[in-house]
Amino acid sequence: NAGVTQTPKFRILKIGQSMTLQCTQDMNHNYMYWYRQDPGMGLKLIYYSVGAGITDKGEVPNGYNVSRSTTEDFPLRLELAAPSQTSVYFCASSYSGGLNTEAFFGQGTRLTVV
Amino acid sequence: RKEVEQDPGPFNVPEGATVAFNCTYSNSASQSFFWYRQDCRKEPKLLMSVYSSGNEDGRFTAQLNRASQYISLLIRDSKLSDSATYLCGSNQAGTALIFGKGTTLSVSS
Repeated sequence: NAGVTQTPKFRILKIGQSMTLQCTQDMNHNYMYWYRQDPGMGLKLIYYSVGAGITDKGEVPNGYNVSRSTTEDFPLRLELAAPSQTSVYFCASSYSGGLNTEAFFGQGTRLTVV
Repeated sequence: RKEVEQDPGPFNVPEGATVAFNCTYSNSASQSFFWYRQDCRKEPKLLMSVYSSGNEDGRFTAQLNRASQYISLLIRDSKLSDSATYLCGSNQAGTALIFGKGTTLSVSS
């Protein structure tokens, strides 16, 4: 079972470049999330989506964009990469945002901006 | 104030010890609570959901105190393999899951 798949696993970007982090899930989950994790800082929510066509900002959305054209895919776009965006990015999904609904995480994308 | 706060530790304990972590949440409308475990350089994985009545899974016990707005995780008889970062998370129905910074546990022999 694939679960939540993120690509790429690693990437080095130069300042000012752009890229898309891909996330796809095969569990037919409605909810999908993007988090970033800096060392010792836990998970900060960037954007989330409660269904196809619906997205909402999290705690740290600046410098990122998302789209949700299908239930399965939730790509994260970085425009004009900055060193402050060096982080590990996790995509997650859950069936709903309801009571005790487990979120499943992808393996993460380690991004370095130099 | 961050919605979910945890003592980051690290907690350094010997094998066999009992250790407890607390996590406070500021949003009184939060409905669901979780403990996730994250190993170094890996993705978080669900350890336990936290139910209002408290719940236990082997050596792990989770409690919820709505009046004081905190959840706790108790680990009994710590094993070396329990060394990890423990993240607490919460959400309201229909909103995103928010996490604390995580608490690092190191169990030594």
